[in-house]
Amino acid sequence: EAQVTQNPRYLITVTGKKLTVTCSQNMNHEYMSWYRQDPGLGLRQIYYSMNVEVTDKGDVPEGYKVSRKEKRNFPLILESPSPNQTSLYFCASSLSTTNTEAFFGQGTRLTVV
Amino acid sequence: AQSVAQPEDQVNVAEGNPLTVKCTYSVSGNPYLFWYVQYPNRGLQFLLKYITGDNLVKGSYGFEAEFNKSQTSFHLKKPSALVSDSALYFCAVREGSNDYKLSFGAGTTVTVRA
Repeated sequence: EAQVTQNPRYLITVTGKKLTVTCSQNMNHEYMSWYRQDPGLGLRQIYYSMNVEVTDKGDVPEGYKVSRKEKRNFPLILESPSPNQTSLYFCASSLSTTNTEAFFGQGTRLTVV
Repeated sequence: AQSVAQPEDQVNVAEGNPLTVKCTYSVSGNPYLFWYVQYPNRGLQFLLKYITGDNLVKGSYGFEAEFNKSQTSFHLKKPSALVSDSALYFCAVREGSNDYKLSFGAGTTVTVRA
């Protein structure tokens, strides 16, 4: 089954404690991205990757890092989480053609206290 | 820069009545437009897209959307709503054929009452 898998689904952590949210896709997609969803703001792009070892900032990259060492994986790293990073996070992937839809993971609800 | 507006935070309809969720967009080139639906505790699911061609596009679960270039709109419609259509709906746009980035609207919560 074609899917994007995120882990964990839920996470409560404390300010400053480094964490990683994993994302993996099994569709051989070149393009992957991370979004955060906040009420009234829709989804905002954090980082994206065009292919292995190619990443770039989205609209709200501050406080986040990513890596793309393998085509299927695109982890999101919060080196020193803060309460304003409490949000619902989604990973997405798509083919490297702009007329195709993106596939989304189930989401990770992060709470930073 | 590209952007999307969904002017209604909430839409409430009775089951069996027509459902419309509004979306307007702004891009400098040709728009590629998408609708996604999000059910509680789930990721976003693709409903339909407009790339080129016929202005009326049909998608999953009986939904359709009409692209109107002059009004820069891409409203989502369903002729007869079901209670199971209650969800959060997002409109998204890509700017033509040179950009992979999806820009999303704020979302519209649809409630269909029995």
